[in-house]
Formats: sequence, structure tokens, C-alpha cells
Amino acid sequence: QKEVEQDPGPLSVPEGAIVSLNCTYSNSAFQYFMWYRQYSRKGPELLMYTYSSGNKEDGRFTAQVDKSSKYISLFIRDSQPSDSATYLCAMRGKNTGNQFYFGTGTSLTVIP
Amino acid sequence: GAVVSQHPSRVICKSGTSVKIECRSLDFQATTMFWYRQFPKKSLMLMATSNEGSKATYEQGVEKDKFLINHASLTLSTLTVTSAHPEDSSFYICSARGGTNYGYTFGSGTRLTVV
Repeated sequence: QKEVEQDPGPLSVPEGAIVSLNCTYSNSAFQYFMWYRQYSRKGPELLMYTYSSGNKEDGRFTAQVDKSSKYISLFIRDSQPSDSATYLCAMRGKNTGNQFYFGTGTSLTVIP
Repeated sequence: GAVVSQHPSRVICKSGTSVKIECRSLDFQATTMFWYRQFPKKSLMLMATSNEGSKATYEQGVEKDKFLINHASLTLSTLTVTSAHPEDSSFYICSARGGTNYGYTFGSGTRLTVV
């Protein structure tokens, strides 16, 4: 079983739609959860960071962590064509050192 | 904010030659840098962790003699792919820890094609 599972998509939505992206994980020691956005042929850029369980909102983006279910989500409201990218979840724990565990990424296309 | 510059963004080389990729932290000191490899539609795979002034720590299955990592200063780490072969063709990305505790900033990546 992979440490982190993420549906690779591709996911295609109309402009203005609400997008839901998800990851599941197996290691209960994970405590730091991140979402990265990666445009084609570019490095990932940090979108959202959450520590432990709970919700975090930043503009059109909301990150949710449910540690009891080992499930994290990223919601994008009022999606825009500029949101078209691959979204990677990443996580680490205090006892996993500096190593991040990444999902495979979900490819999202927002159609104008 | 923290910026990591990675160069070159794209390189094509002949089989058997060596290629050096540079990763620089522009506005912060990075005692630790990380090198990843990414295959199409695959997750980022950590290759090695590079600490300033000491030998890099390689992940299992990564050939340290093939992927030479040097972290000679607090702002520069280099990855040299030695005697490159077509199977080394991939997207290589560095990242550095800087700013906040969770602030791992990624470089823009290097697309290596070995012909």
C-alpha cells in the first residue's frame, strides 16, 4: 500500500464550479499536510498548509484534514481557467524527518 | 518570500555525457536541500537530501555514484548526472527549507532529455 493515495484524474470542470480534490494516507504519524499546485513543466508551489486536523481557508481555497479517517481535501470555489494545473498533496510527520510523502497529483482543467 | 532558482530549465545531452543542475536559494540560507525526480503522471520521488558541508543522504535505490550531489554553500546545491543514459531522462526538481518550519520551497525544475 502506498503511503499516500491520490486519484490522478484528469478532472475537467466548467468555470465557476466547485472543485474537490482528495488524498488518503496510511501513516497515522503524519501531522503536517500540504497542497501544492504544479503548472506544466514547473516546480510545485505551496498553496495550503495545515497542521493536524481541521479546516483552513485562504481566499477561494479551503483545506480540510480528517486525521481519524486519514483523509484530506482541497476545495476550490469559483474555479477559474488559471486554476488548471496538477494539484499534489503532501504530508509528513514529526518522526519522518524532512521527507515529504507526495500523492501522484490530480490533473485539473477548468473550461472557460 | 523564499525563492529557489533552478538552472537550467531544460537540457538535452548525448548519452554518456554528464549534466550539472544547480539549485540556489536566493533570499535565504538553506542548510538542507532536497532533490526529487518526477516521472509523467507520477509522484515526486525523493532522491537525496543534501546538507551543507557534508555528504548527501541518498534514498534506497538511488545510485550515489551516478547522481553526484554537492552542497558547498548555504545557498547552492548541485546535482550532476554522470554518464547519462536515456533512462535518466526525467524532470528533476530541487527544494529547500527556508522561512517557516513548513516552508519547503521548490525550484522550477529541470527537464533532462538524454539522446
